Amino acid sequence: SQQGEEDPQALSIQEGENATMNCSYKTSINNLQWYRQNSGRGLVHLILIRSNEREKHSGRLRVTLDTSKKSSSLLITASRAADTASYFCATDGTRNQFYFGTGTSLTVIP
Amino acid sequence: EAQVTQNPRYLITVTGKKLTVTCSQNMNHEYMSWYRQDPGLGLRQIYYSMNVEVTDKGDVPEGYKVSRKEKRNFPLILESPSPNQTSLYFCASSTRDRGSYEQYFGPGTRLTVT
Repeated sequence: SQQGEEDPQALSIQEGENATMNCSYKTSINNLQWYRQNSGRGLVHLILIRSNEREKHSGRLRVTLDTSKKSSSLLITASRAADTASYFCATDGTRNQFYFGTGTSLTVIP
Repeated sequence: EAQVTQNPRYLITVTGKKLTVTCSQNMNHEYMSWYRQDPGLGLRQIYYSMNVEVTDKGDVPEGYKVSRKEKRNFPLILESPSPNQTSLYFCASSTRDRGSYEQYFGPGTRLTVT
């Protein structure tokens, strides 16, 4: 399987703190995306970073990409209770397939 | 409202009884895909379609069939369901924006095969 992995599997923080989660993948990529999933519901796209980019920002989100290490990180600053969710990275392969990681479960305590 | 719809949302069936899960999108997206989500395994791609009449296998295609006769619809067919296909299934669609695919997901179909 070419599935990626997120680290940590679970993360619990206080409201207002920053949350960092990491993603490692196995093959060359065109893009890497991050998605959020609220319990049992459909995934929602958060941000995309292209393979030739190193860092990208969107509101309270910051994504970095290191293609030499085949890894990415997602930073959520000033977290809120509403950020409680599972977060997944996804990479697209050469055949237009998608590979999702196993997810990080984030709990933000009010 | 732009959306991906799936039906049914919940389904309990017995081993061997053929079933179809429908998926429809109203965004004129070329790319559509099916995933299954299992605890500890994340999402795994079953099949995907680049456009009408073009489908391809994902990571876990065994036991599933798909068809893409119209751009908006991408049904998932389980010809002879087995208990190991009990899972949460998601349909997704996307357009190709400068070579990238931001996917829009349906609400999910929870399937139990007894």
